[in-house]
Amino acid sequence: AQKITQTQPGMFVQEKEAVTLDCTYDTSDQSYGLFWYKQPSSGEMIFLIYQGSYDEQNATEGRYSLNFQKARKSANLVISASQLGDSAMYFCAMREATTDSWGKLQFGAGTQVVVTP
Amino acid sequence: DTGVSQDPRHKITKRGQNVTFRCDPISEHNRLYWYRQTLGQGPEFLTYFQNEAQLEKSRLLSDRFSAERPKGSFSTLEIQRTEQGDSAMYLCASSRPYGDTQYFGPGTRLTVL
Repeated sequence: AQKITQTQPGMFVQEKEAVTLDCTYDTSDQSYGLFWYKQPSSGEMIFLIYQGSYDEQNATEGRYSLNFQKARKSANLVISASQLGDSAMYFCAMREATTDSWGKLQFGAGTQVVVTP
Repeated sequence: DTGVSQDPRHKITKRGQNVTFRCDPISEHNRLYWYRQTLGQGPEFLTYFQNEAQLEKSRLLSDRFSAERPKGSFSTLEIQRTEQGDSAMYLCASSRPYGDTQYFGPGTRLTVL
């Protein structure tokens, strides 16, 4: 079963506007972590933001914030004041505290963001 | 601070040939991960090491794939008898232990003709 679902294959956003990227997840673990990564056309995965399942406050990192709704199992990424350099593929990922000692990340299919002038 | 490095960045090979990729993690990271990413998809986990011990292998890692990290520093991923379906981006990541953020390298793009 799909663990991470990103329903938006692509989005256009105007420069300086905010954009919300959706992510829902599926886990029966109480302890887990949620991540967002950015992948520009060059291919490198760039870490953006992390939210732990026990964190009571939403994570923020500069222009990135994570809207964490635990009961709904959603972890949406908000990018404020979009810049042309934000054009990239964005991936939501989860790590579960199962028997593998906090190992692998499980990724969604990604959302392609294009920022227009 | 030196990030994760991977070599080569691109590899073109003919079907049936063997290929080997190298990953050098961030120096203080004792965990090292390999993922595979095909076009239009998110990365899929292949295997990971803590120091020199290989702790988990995905079912995606067929018997043609082998990964090593002999001294707990760099790692190699070898694919024997490559097939066209092996064409993908192979990503390496490293982290400190127990749940820390994984930082990725630039990837090795493999094309099997």
